[in-house]
Amino acid sequence: GENVEQHPSTLSVQEGDSAVIKCTYSDSASNYFPWYKQELGKRPQLIIDIRSNVGEKKDQRIAVTLNKTAKHFSLHITETQPEDSAVYFCAARFQGAQKLVFGQGTRLTINP
Amino acid sequence: GAVVSQHPSWVICKSGTSVKIECRSLDFQATTMFWYRQFPKQSLMLMATSNEGSKATYEQGVEKDKFLINHASLTLSTLTVTSAHPEDSSFYICSARDGTYEQYFGPGTRLTVT
Repeated sequence: GENVEQHPSTLSVQEGDSAVIKCTYSDSASNYFPWYKQELGKRPQLIIDIRSNVGEKKDQRIAVTLNKTAKHFSLHITETQPEDSAVYFCAARFQGAQKLVFGQGTRLTINP
Repeated sequence: GAVVSQHPSWVICKSGTSVKIECRSLDFQATTMFWYRQFPKQSLMLMATSNEGSKATYEQGVEKDKFLINHASLTLSTLTVTSAHPEDSSFYICSARDGTYEQYFGPGTRLTVT
């Protein structure tokens, strides 16, 4: 079935350090992998996404890598800042389906 | 960027009553809209996918007769929670696609059933 696993569930890092969140997906035909940041009581905000024909994408302090063979993708945040504290969700769109399936979420805390 | 709105942003209702939540794409035509439910400290769980003019496709375990979805136009989808019970209290979020890869989320509706 369609499944996305996300780890870790919580992550605490010192300000200025890097944070990495990993996700695996079940369907090798998945073609779109977005990452969302959600603050308490707010809507998920897209922070970066990657398509299946690309291995890596970077936007300032945020990068995403995709390993299609291993069916996993990762979010990398460098030079973390207190405002990066939030819950982060990965998602995958499965081939032939219109829907996004979400990972379980990672609560990231940046310690000053 | 594309904007999706939801109304109301929060609602409190009594057990046994019905509640309607609206989701609108403000500056684009949404070929497909999605309804998610999110319980505290949990992930977004897809409830159903709706295409304009068609019946919604519900995820396994979601009761069609309890969560009525109507997608009557390319800019509006509604979710009606019928005969609401306290266990239906949750954060309901809609999202919409305009045919591109990206999916745009509404601000969510917090439903509390007393």
